[in-house]
Amino acid sequence: EIVLTQSPGILSVSPGERATLSCRASQSVKTNLAWYQQKPGRAPRVLFYGASTRATGVQPTFSASGSATEFTLTISSLQSEDFAVYYCQQYNDWPYTFGQGTKLEI
Amino acid sequence: QVQLLQSGAEVKKPGASVKVSCKVSGYSLSKLSMHWVRQGPGGRLEWLAGHDPEDGETISSQKFQDRISLTEDRATNTAYMELTSLRSEDTAVYFCATIPMWWGQGTLVSVSS
Repeated sequence: EIVLTQSPGILSVSPGERATLSCRASQSVKTNLAWYQQKPGRAPRVLFYGASTRATGVQPTFSASGSATEFTLTISSLQSEDFAVYYCQQYNDWPYTFGQGTKLEI
Repeated sequence: QVQLLQSGAEVKKPGASVKVSCKVSGYSLSKLSMHWVRQGPGGRLEWLAGHDPEDGETISSQKFQDRISLTEDRATNTAYMELTSLRSEDTAVYFCATIPMWWGQGTLVSVSS
């Protein structure tokens, strides 16, 4: 199965700062990768799919890029509501797999 | 607006089965590829099974293939996931999702003697 490795595991940043999250795949997933944001007690919310297509309602401060095995999620100016856990997921091959998550904290 | 509404929390004993429902509104279930994901106490997301959009067949993780079944009731636009032979490690929140877009709110399944 394809292993997704996210880094860092925890990212401590301040409001207004820039955050860059990484997701690396053990083999190519082309651009069949999604990014999710999850807050406590809530379901994951899709931010990007197709590696870089922003989902409806996602703030323009979020951007995503990458293909094959290297992917990046960037938040250009952190707001208080952005502090959450972020997951990447590949849907190129069975079984679908998730990264272990990056926790964004103050 | 597509919404997925899941059934309520369940408490089960080891060896029992659980069936979680996921009612779709705002779209026809027949046009969706439904998947099931769980999240254990440690927070890790784990894909269990889903429908292959190519042929509609059910694909499951090898870890669950002997214990999981997915069914649909097109008349009520509801998808179901049944997991059998439950053990304590199956305690988790179970989500239905049309990966990657729409997710249910989650159903807590607790397995304890």
